Amino acid sequence: AQTVTQSQPEMSVQEAETVTLSCTYDTSESNYYLFWYKQPPSRQMILVIRQEAYKQQNATENRFSVNFQKAAKSFSLKISDSQLGDTAMYFCAFMKKEYGNKLVFGAGTILRVKS
Amino acid sequence: KAGVTQTPRYLIKTRGQQVTLSCSPISGHRSVSWYQQTPGQGLQFLFEYFSETQRNKGNFPGRFSGRQFSNSRSEMNVSTLELGDSALYLCASSLGGLAGGLALEQFFGPGTRLTVL
Repeated sequence: AQTVTQSQPEMSVQEAETVTLSCTYDTSESNYYLFWYKQPPSRQMILVIRQEAYKQQNATENRFSVNFQKAAKSFSLKISDSQLGDTAMYFCAFMKKEYGNKLVFGAGTILRVKS
Repeated sequence: KAGVTQTPRYLIKTRGQQVTLSCSPISGHRSVSWYQQTPGQGLQFLFEYFSETQRNKGNFPGRFSGRQFSNSRSEMNVSTLELGDSALYLCASSLGGLAGGLALEQFFGPGTRLTVL
């Protein structure tokens, strides 16, 4: 079974600074997808960024980028120029292609952006 | 385009009762997945429906069941409620693909907060 580990339960960062959230996963598969989801205090979960395992290039979405290390099974999220609206719970998630749309989530990291 | 809607938003039930939660996916989405979110266990996958068929199932007891209708709306039912069923139940919809292939993005609803007393 796949597992996803987020070792940082809580983090804080000053507005405009950069923060990196860690995620490691365990799988024997070679074909899979990785995601970062954001769940603000209002509870609506939204996708931040995704990475396809067969792509070596790290995904980037505006201020959000990932460092995908396939051999190390590591998938960290970097948030640049942090904004107050980035305050949320961040979940790392794994999806094995053969499992269809089943997401396996990590425990989450609470990120607080301070002014 | 309207997002994923879930009804009701809040529910209070007592042990032993049963409950039905509803999820309306984004128009055109054929896949609906359900997740249970608790402080202790985090986010756990319950099941996924695609074109009215259950395609994936998580490790939950048979008290948890679901179905999907021809318009892709989905319901999940929990029978004989236990205190440990108190949770936020999230529904997510995705395109699913013509052949049921992988959809890279799941759109989540606001959730239904179930409290079992």
